[in-house]
Amino acid sequence: AQKITQTQPGMFVQEKEAVTLDCTYDTSDPSYGLFWYKQPSSGEMIFLIYQGSYDQQNATEGRYSLNFQKARKSANLVISASQLGDSAMYFCAMRGLNAGGTSYGKLTFGQGTILTVHP
Amino acid sequence: DTAVSQTPKYLVTQMGNDKSIKCEQNLGHDTMYWYKQDSKKFLKIMFSYNNKELIINETVPNRFSPKSPDKAHLNLHINSLELGDSAVYFCASSQGIPRDYEQYFGPGTRLTVT
Repeated sequence: AQKITQTQPGMFVQEKEAVTLDCTYDTSDPSYGLFWYKQPSSGEMIFLIYQGSYDQQNATEGRYSLNFQKARKSANLVISASQLGDSAMYFCAMRGLNAGGTSYGKLTFGQGTILTVHP
Repeated sequence: DTAVSQTPKYLVTQMGNDKSIKCEQNLGHDTMYWYKQDSKKFLKIMFSYNNKELIINETVPNRFSPKSPDKAHLNLHINSLELGDSAVYFCASSQGIPRDYEQYFGPGTRLTVT
């Protein structure tokens, strides 16, 4: 079984500052992928960043970076230089591989963190 | 160009009715999914199809029946709607193995059962 925990129901950040959104996970799968999605108030789910469990380097995508600490089972999202448009709900998710080493992509989501960026 | 589309965007109906939500992806992906987001914003997988075959069925009531007429479409039919079915339903697709990295989500269908 897989579990994703996001302990911050809400976060506030000043525009242009950096913010870290926490995510911890639990899995018995030998390898797995970790994802972050953004859900603005309009409701769509927007893929932000992906980290594979065997990737040596932390993933980065523009202003988004994933602080992956495998031993601590954490995959925090760092948003640098926050913008007003970053205000949204953010979901951490995980996809594991089964015993055969394959997966059909089932994502397990955390509870989400609402980020509010202040001007 | 819309990658993953869903219709309708909003659906308001009465208890006991039967309704369908349609999903189409034009990304050439092999795998499609249905997720349910409840009133507390919690997202949970319902079904997954790979090349028209059911792969994941997460103990969803039998009233929910997915149908995949082809690789690009995955529809969700719900019989005898109940109040608890009110939620936002998201369709998603991905390339599948081995490049099963990103899942692209549709815009969601907000179902309200009265």
